[in-house]
Amino acid sequence: GIQVEQSPPDLILQEGANSTLRCNFSDSVNNLQWFHQNPWGQLINLFYIPSGTKQNGRLSATTVATERYSLLYISSSQTTDSGVYFCAVRSGDDKIIFGKGTRLHILP
Amino acid sequence: EPEVTQTPSHQVTQMGQEVILRCVPISNHLYFYWYRQILGQKVEFLVSFYNNEISEKSEIFDDQFSVERPDGSNFTLKIRSTKLEDSAMYFCASSKQGTGELFFGEGSRLTVL
Repeated sequence: GIQVEQSPPDLILQEGANSTLRCNFSDSVNNLQWFHQNPWGQLINLFYIPSGTKQNGRLSATTVATERYSLLYISSSQTTDSGVYFCAVRSGDDKIIFGKGTRLHILP
Repeated sequence: EPEVTQTPSHQVTQMGQEVILRCVPISNHLYFYWYRQILGQKVEFLVSFYNNEISEKSEIFDDQFSVERPDGSNFTLKIRSTKLEDSAMYFCASSKQGTGELFFGEGSRLTVL
């Protein structure tokens, strides 16, 4: 099945810094989403982005489907951005596969 | 804004007992899913459901598990004879289309003692 790799696995930043999280996938996809799992365990939808670029406030994402990767950018990080960021993809079958996530810790 | 709701938020059970986790997907969505996340690990696909039948399932989803849509709104996951290793957060999700955006509920945390 499709493989999803996220990097880096862990990231510690000072408040105000910018960050780039990467998601590589091993096959063509028809769906890619980014989620933020907050400290309470909730999965919050960030972007539905099978291709192209989207922006929402301080967050933006770009998926280059032909090169099989997606990037999530977080600018001017805040402590509330802490948590785990997951990339999830769907290929030809009817299931979405998650990467192992990037654990982001923003220091005040 | 419509959302996926799950109950209970937390359930503690004894090993060997049966557990039913309930989900109400977003009302106009047609595709339903269960995922689980063992503490500290990644989110794993269990099963997808469309048109009143299972469309995909993972190797985790063995005979111990079953899903049902008993009425027009609920989507349930039944775990028979729970084991210690079934302790996890179970997430329900739904989407309008097969390739569409997935929306998750807040999860049901299952603790098996």
